[in-house]
Order: sequence, then structure tokens, then C-alpha cells
Amino acid sequence: GIQVEQSPPDLILQEGANSTLRCNFSDSVNNLQWFHQNPWGQLINLFYIPSGTKQNGRLSATTVATERYSLLYISSSQTTDSGVYFCAVEGGDQAGTALIFGKGTTLSVSS
Amino acid sequence: DAGVTQSPTHLIKTRGQQVTLRCSPISGHKSVSWYQQVLGQGPQFIFQYYEKEERGRGNFPDRFSARQFPNYSSELNVNALLLGDSALYLCASSPGLAGGPGELFFGEGSRLTVL
Repeated sequence: GIQVEQSPPDLILQEGANSTLRCNFSDSVNNLQWFHQNPWGQLINLFYIPSGTKQNGRLSATTVATERYSLLYISSSQTTDSGVYFCAVEGGDQAGTALIFGKGTTLSVSS
Repeated sequence: DAGVTQSPTHLIKTRGQQVTLRCSPISGHKSVSWYQQVLGQGPQFIFQYYEKEERGRGNFPDRFSARQFPNYSSELNVNALLLGDSALYLCASSPGLAGGPGELFFGEGSRLTVL
């Protein structure tokens, strides 16, 4: 099945710093989403981005489908950005049914 | 608009018992999926239902079953609970326009502890 690798696994930042999270995937995908999981466990949609670039406030994402990677940029980080960021893709032999999640990047932002 | 709602939010069971988790999708969404998330891992796909039919099943034993009702709400049942079933169970809904998951929206989850 399709493999999803996220890096780095852990990231510690001071408030105000910028960061880049990476997601590599092993096969062509129909769907790619970035999520933020808050401390209470809820997965918050950040971007639905199977290709191209999108921006939402301090966050932006780019997916280069032909090279099988996606990047999530966080600028001017705030303590509320802390949590786990997941990349998830749909494709391969699970196309049309399931999202396959990476193991996540745990971000800690201190003031 | 209401998001995806799940119940119960927390529950504790003992080994061998059975549990039923419930999910109501976003209004207008016809596809519901279930995921299991154990501590420290990303969510893993269990089932997808679209228009009341099972469209996909992950690598889970037959102790796990689900169904979708005419109003598109869904239940996940787990029989003969094992300690390893302790996890956060997440329900997601999507418009399912193409029958696939599309953009998924998740509920807050049901946290199951098996003792």
C-alpha cells in the first residue's frame, strides 16, 4: 500500500519563528489533506490540497504531485499552533475509500 | 452548521464486553468513515460507508462491524473487546460526490478504554 512519511517527527520553536513540515508519499494520490490535532484529540482541517498551493492566514501548503511531496508552512508561530500535524493521502490500492495517515509531526511552540 | 458529532465522548469497558459508538455526519454529507487512533500513531482506516453501503474496509478483525442508517448516521460496533482496542475512535464525513472520501471532516472522537 501507499506509504506516507512525515518529517521532522518533532519540532520545538520559540513563538514568532517560522517552520516547514514535509510529507512524502510513495504513489500517485487523488487527495491530500493536512490536519492539526489539538490536545483534546480533534482533527482540524487545514488544507485539502492534492496539488498546487493554498494559503490561509499564517499557514500555507504546497503539493508537488509529480514529485510526491507536500509542504506545510507555518509563519510567525504562536503557542496555539502546538499539537500534532498530520498529512493524509488517498490513493494506491485504497483509492476511493480511505485516507492513509503519516505518523505526524509534533510541534511545540513556547512563549 | 453542526459539524460531525460523536457519542459517547469517553467510555470504559472491560475485556470481552461489546461497545457501540455513534456518529452523525455533517448535514448533506452521504459518506461516513471510521478510524482508529492509538496513542502516538496516526489514525488508521476501519470502514467507509456511502449511501448506506460499505465501500471499504481496513485491516481489522471481524469483531469490528458498522452500519449506516437512512439518515446517513452510522454506528461502529466492536465485540469481544481486547485491551488493544483501547484507542480514540474517529468518525469522518464527506460529501462523497464521487463515492470516494473526498475532503474529510472529523468529529471529536470517542475515547475507549478497555480494562
